[in-house]
Amino acid sequence: QVQLQQSGPGLVKPSQTLSLTCAISGDSVSSTNAAWNWIRQSPSGGLEWLGRTYYRSKWYYDYALSVKSRITINADTAKNQLSLHLNSVTPEDTAVYYCASGWALDYWGQGTLVTVSS
Amino acid sequence: DIVMTQSPDSLAVSLGERATINCKSSQDVFSTTHNKESLAWYQQKPGQPPKLFIYWASMRESGVPDRFSGSGSGTDFTLSISSLQAEDVAIYYCQQYYNVPLTFGGGTRVEIK
Repeated sequence: QVQLQQSGPGLVKPSQTLSLTCAISGDSVSSTNAAWNWIRQSPSGGLEWLGRTYYRSKWYYDYALSVKSRITINADTAKNQLSLHLNSVTPEDTAVYYCASGWALDYWGQGTLVTVSS
Repeated sequence: DIVMTQSPDSLAVSLGERATINCKSSQDVFSTTHNKESLAWYQQKPGQPPKLFIYWASMRESGVPDRFSGSGSGTDFTLSISSLQAEDVAIYYCQQYYNVPLTFGGGTRVEIK
């Protein structure tokens, strides 16, 4: 059973960087069968996929065009965790952020409400 | 990007009656690699992350009651709840994983009439 435990600040100031971590148990971040995603849900409820990473002899990264210039997803194999960095945030980045595994997203973190406000 | 359009936005059904949610993709999501439709359904309750209910358009995730079924092909898909129970009150989302960006429908809120 895969479990994803998210951590990170709930309040970020405009123009700063949003950073979240997703600790993985029950699987390896470098598993050649897995993919690791970040998704966010706006206050109105819409779900937006932000990006993913997966390992197939090398690391691959896919990002949504809407955030591609601002996003970095990293996999830390030593800590078996995933991270999200989103820079130059604005209030429009206020959302609940989730990490999730798979293509059909079978396991999800608990979610982190991130508010962008001064 | 593949646009996922769900209908209706909300649905009120009597306990024990059938609920049907539709999802239309802007292009075919059939995976020739897997010979299956790359379409998933999720249930989300307040304060919880979405929970995978259906994948490959019709495969129930482990533990999902068999009153839930998924069907469809090409660009038109359906999630059906054969006999609505009180615990099924939630928002349901479809999602395609045929290509990136992964995209979701806008959600359908299911309530008890």
